[in-house]
Amino acid sequence: DVKVTQSSRYLVKRTGEKVFLECVQDMDHENMFWYRQDPGLGLRLIYFSYDVKMKEKGDIPEGYSVSREKKERFSLILESASTNQTSMYLCASSLPGQPFYLGLVNYGYTFGSGTRLTVV
Amino acid sequence: AQKVTQAQTEISVVEKEDVTLDCVYETRDTTYYLFWYKQPPSGELVFLIRRNSFDEQNEISGRYSWNFQKSTSSFNFTITASQVVDSAVYFCALGNTDKLIFGTGTRLQVFP
Repeated sequence: DVKVTQSSRYLVKRTGEKVFLECVQDMDHENMFWYRQDPGLGLRLIYFSYDVKMKEKGDIPEGYSVSREKKERFSLILESASTNQTSMYLCASSLPGQPFYLGLVNYGYTFGSGTRLTVV
Repeated sequence: AQKVTQAQTEISVVEKEDVTLDCVYETRDTTYYLFWYKQPPSGELVFLIRRNSFDEQNEISGRYSWNFQKSTSSFNFTITASQVVDSAVYFCALGNTDKLIFGTGTRLQVFP
């Protein structure tokens, strides 16, 4: 069964700590994504990566960084955790989409179970 | 700019009722994809359906059906004869080749 695995289900950290959220996928997907989910705001894209060592900012990258040293692993880093980063963090992966004229599709994402981070 | 609007924040129904979740989107792309995901209490988002912008045929899968109308930029999701197990947060999403933009979600509660 194909999977996206997030290392922690629940995490409590102190303000100012450096926090690492790990995500591993076993589907050989090129694309990986980090979203945060907040009530009333839906899912917002933090960072994404199309390949090893590549990263792109999403809609809300401030306060975060990422690392992708291996294809299967995509880490989200909170350089100095703050209380406003308390949230549910979701990792996802996908095959690269193709435009219509190549006859293929956007395959959609496979999601991990999420990490609920509380910063106190 | 792309945008997905799910105006219904929360819907409550009694088992066996039919329920429709609305999704309205905005995009300037001529080629795009629309998705529905389900997020049960366990937290993991589960893929339900994908449609491309050239295929406006409605789709039915068991108790689930989807109505895609480009003229109104809507991609609505109907659950027929709802069940308690349908209780979840449902997200509509829009994308082109790779990135997806999600709506804010609709929480559906089905009571026995």
